Amino acid sequence: QQQVKQSPQSLIVQKGGISIINCAYENTAFDYFPWYQQFPGKGPALLIAIRPDVSEKKEGRFTISFNKSAKQFSLHIMDSQPGDSATYFCAALGDSGAGSYQLTFGKGTKLSVIP
Amino acid sequence: DAMVIQNPRYQVTQFGKPVTLSCSQTLNHNVMYWYQQKSSQAPKLLFHYYDKDFNNEADTPDNFQSRRPNTSFCFLDIRSPGLGDAAMYLCATSRFGTSMNIQYFGAGTRLSVL
Repeated sequence: QQQVKQSPQSLIVQKGGISIINCAYENTAFDYFPWYQQFPGKGPALLIAIRPDVSEKKEGRFTISFNKSAKQFSLHIMDSQPGDSATYFCAALGDSGAGSYQLTFGKGTKLSVIP
Repeated sequence: DAMVIQNPRYQVTQFGKPVTLSCSQTLNHNVMYWYQQKSSQAPKLLFHYYDKDFNNEADTPDNFQSRRPNTSFCFLDIRSPGLGDAAMYLCATSRFGTSMNIQYFGAGTRLSVL
């Protein structure tokens, strides 16, 4: 069964610090690796995503680092702010073979940024 | 502007009483998904439609059904809700065939079963 393993389960970071969330996957057939941000009571929102042929992607304070040989990728949030407090899900997208691409989610990381 | 709209945002039903959740999209996407998300867990795919073709996940209970009358709308029917079906239900859409097949999620419907 395809799996994406995410750590840590929870993370507390001081305002202005760097938040780092790590994920590892098993299936080499994944095509795309998105990160979703979810606030309580809301649906997941796409934050940033990367293809496996790229080693790093940066959008503002958010950076994905991707290591294809190790089958690992991580999210770095620079200058973390209290407004970043949310649950973050890494995911991997692969062809389901049924006319769509399916997301395999990690279990999520609850980030708390304290003032 | 909301692109994937779920109604209602909160739904309370009684044990065993059928309930229908709705999802509409303005993105003209050809794939629509239904996920179940329980507290502190990742979303779990129940099924999806690729155009009119329905694809059920192997472990989705028969109690869950879906309808897609047109491109814009998709419904989740729970025939006989049990206490274990209380969860957030998320609708998502994507366009199969685009470069990254990004899935866009709605805000969800929180279902309570009394």
